[in-house]
Amino acid sequence: DAGITQSPRHKVTETGTPVTLRCHQTENHRYMYWYRQDPGHGLRLIHYSYGVKDTDKGEVSDGYSVSRSKTEDFLLTLESATSSQTSVYFCAINMIEGRRTGELFFGEGSRLTVL
Amino acid sequence: GDSVTQMEGPVTLSEEAFLTINCTYTATGYPSLFWYVQYPGEGLQLLLKATKADDKGSNKGFEATYRKETTSFHLEKGSVQVSDSAVYFCALSTSGGSNYKLTFGKGTLLTVNP
Repeated sequence: DAGITQSPRHKVTETGTPVTLRCHQTENHRYMYWYRQDPGHGLRLIHYSYGVKDTDKGEVSDGYSVSRSKTEDFLLTLESATSSQTSVYFCAINMIEGRRTGELFFGEGSRLTVL
Repeated sequence: GDSVTQMEGPVTLSEEAFLTINCTYTATGYPSLFWYVQYPGEGLQLLLKATKADDKGSNKGFEATYRKETTSFHLEKGSVQVSDSAVYFCALSTSGGSNYKLTFGKGTLLTVNP
């Protein structure tokens, strides 16, 4: 089974502070994704990566940045957290290596609360 | 643009009842269609998929048929169990290199009572 570990799983922070969420995969897959899940919105893509140092924006990328210095790690950073970024964040990889299909394997999520 | 519309929840059923969760889509070209399930406190899991018209995806007693003429991919199960309580997401993907896109519906919460 594909392995994705997200950390931290839960975080409470203050408005204006920086936050970094980490996604670690054990599968050596090329594509990695960050989504946020909000009631009434389903899942929305924030950023994705198609290789080391190769990233691109999704539909809700404002206020977020990402980095991928190693195949296995994909970091999501909120430079200055706002209350609108309170959400559950999911990391995902494609089930089939090298192919961008709708078959994704998701991590367990990171719940972020910005006060 | 591409979009997925799911029936609004929550849906509450008794154990062994028949389940239908409606999903319709709008897309250019020939999308692939998916159902994902999210159990409480967990990430999404792929439940089933269909990649072309008239395909039927099935898994764990759930089924959905890709209907191009009605642009639908309704999820059905003949007899639900308490353990099926979860949020269900319909999704579509359109392929094409840099034009690839995966679009999720807003999710439907299902609660099954004993």
